[in-house]
Amino acid sequence: GIQVEQSPPDLILQEGANSTLRCNFSDSVNNLQWFHQNPWGQLINLFYIPSGTKQNGRLSATTVATERYSLLYISSSQTTDSGVYFCAVERETSGSRLTFGEGTQLTVNP
Amino acid sequence: GAVVSQHPSWVICKSGTSVKIECRSLDFQATTMFWYRQFPKQSLMLMATSNEGSKATYEQGVEKDKFLINHASLTLSTLTVTSAHPEDSSFYICSARWRSGRPVFGPGTRLTVL
Repeated sequence: GIQVEQSPPDLILQEGANSTLRCNFSDSVNNLQWFHQNPWGQLINLFYIPSGTKQNGRLSATTVATERYSLLYISSSQTTDSGVYFCAVERETSGSRLTFGEGTQLTVNP
Repeated sequence: GAVVSQHPSWVICKSGTSVKIECRSLDFQATTMFWYRQFPKQSLMLMATSNEGSKATYEQGVEKDKFLINHASLTLSTLTVTSAHPEDSSFYICSARWRSGRPVFGPGTRLTVL
C-alpha cells in the first residue's frame, strides 16, 4: 500500500514563531488532506489539497503532486495551534480509503 | 456544515463484555462509512469500510467476527466490539461520506476495557 511519512514527528515552538510541516507520499494520489487533531481527539479538516496552494488565515498548504509531497505552513503560531497534525492521502484505486501519516505533534509555548 | 456524531463519547466496560458504538450522519446521507482505531500517540488506522446495505470490507489483520459493523441505513453505522479485552482499549473514530464527497469525521469514542 501507499506509504505516508510526516516530518518532523515533534515540534516545539514559542508563540509567534512560524513552522513548516512536511508530508511525503510514495505513490500518486487523487486526494490529500491535512487535519488537526485537538486535545479531545476531534479531527478538524484544515485543507483538501490534492495539488496547488491554498491559504486560510495563518495557515497555508502546498502540494506538489508530481514530486509527491505536501507542506503545511503555520505562521504566527498560537498556543491553540498545539495538537497533532495529520496528513492523509487517498488513491484512486483505494476505494475512497484514506491512509494517514504518523502525524506531527506540535506544542506552542506561551 | 456536515456533521457526524458518535455515541457514546466514552465507555468503560469489563473484560468479556460487548460494546456497541454508534456513528450517525446528522444532516446528510452517508453512502460510505469508515471506522478507524487510534492507540495513544499513534496514527489512525483504518479498520473497515461499510457501504449502506452491504457487508463491511475489513482491512487486513482486523477480525471481522470481533468487530461487527452494521450499516443498516444511510445515516447510521454501528461498530460492536465483541468479547472486549484490555488490548481493545482505544479511541475509535468513524467518518462518513456521500458518494465521492469529502469524508466528515466524528468526534470519536474512547473505549476502556478493564
